[in-house]
Amino acid sequence: NAGVMQNPRHLVRRRGQEARLRCSPMKGHSHVYWYRQLPEEGLKFMVYLQKENIIDESGMPKERFSAEFPKEGPSILRIQQVVRGDSAAYFCASSPPTGLTDTQYFGPGTRLTVL
Amino acid sequence: GQQLNQSPQSMFIQEGEDVSMNCTSSSIFNTWLWYKQDPGEGPVLLIALYKAGELTSNGRLTAQFGITRKDSFLNISASIPSDVGIYFCAGHLYNFNKFYFGSGTKLNVKP
Repeated sequence: NAGVMQNPRHLVRRRGQEARLRCSPMKGHSHVYWYRQLPEEGLKFMVYLQKENIIDESGMPKERFSAEFPKEGPSILRIQQVVRGDSAAYFCASSPPTGLTDTQYFGPGTRLTVL
Repeated sequence: GQQLNQSPQSMFIQEGEDVSMNCTSSSIFNTWLWYKQDPGEGPVLLIALYKAGELTSNGRLTAQFGITRKDSFLNISASIPSDVGIYFCAGHLYNFNKFYFGSGTKLNVKP
């Protein structure tokens, strides 16, 4: 049973370019969460999605960042016109449908470096 | 938003020693989770606790869900070098289906 998958594992972008980070949740999981982590810091919540719906985006910067979780395919976190401050590790986590076990499983992360 | 206070922030211990870390909150949580993160990797779920007062073990790890539902602790017995990493607690609120994370405890184990 494959775990949460993220790709790419490492992504290098120049300032002003777009970054697209992908996350495939565990099989049977319908909830996806995105977090950002700076070096030596904790996990900062960004957005919570269910299929085709954004449930909570209170942690997302208002500009340049967007997320989606389409009916088919992986969840995408998109960062437009990246700046150096966007350099961080971005983790995706998934959890089962509400009402089942309330646990969350993480992917290996995408490390974004903005030059 | 909800805040989890995790302590200690870091620990330096000798191999073979026992370790204890905890998380407290002013809010009640439905579930407590403990994760370990190795450098360059994603957090890995160690233990999940679903009921107040629940005490659960996973090998040398033991965690408890506080009776007030506002705290949890994680103990590691007879630490070994591979226990090195950052340990995070997380609380889950059923109504919002959201997870709140502590700031982490960085564990260093000297062989």
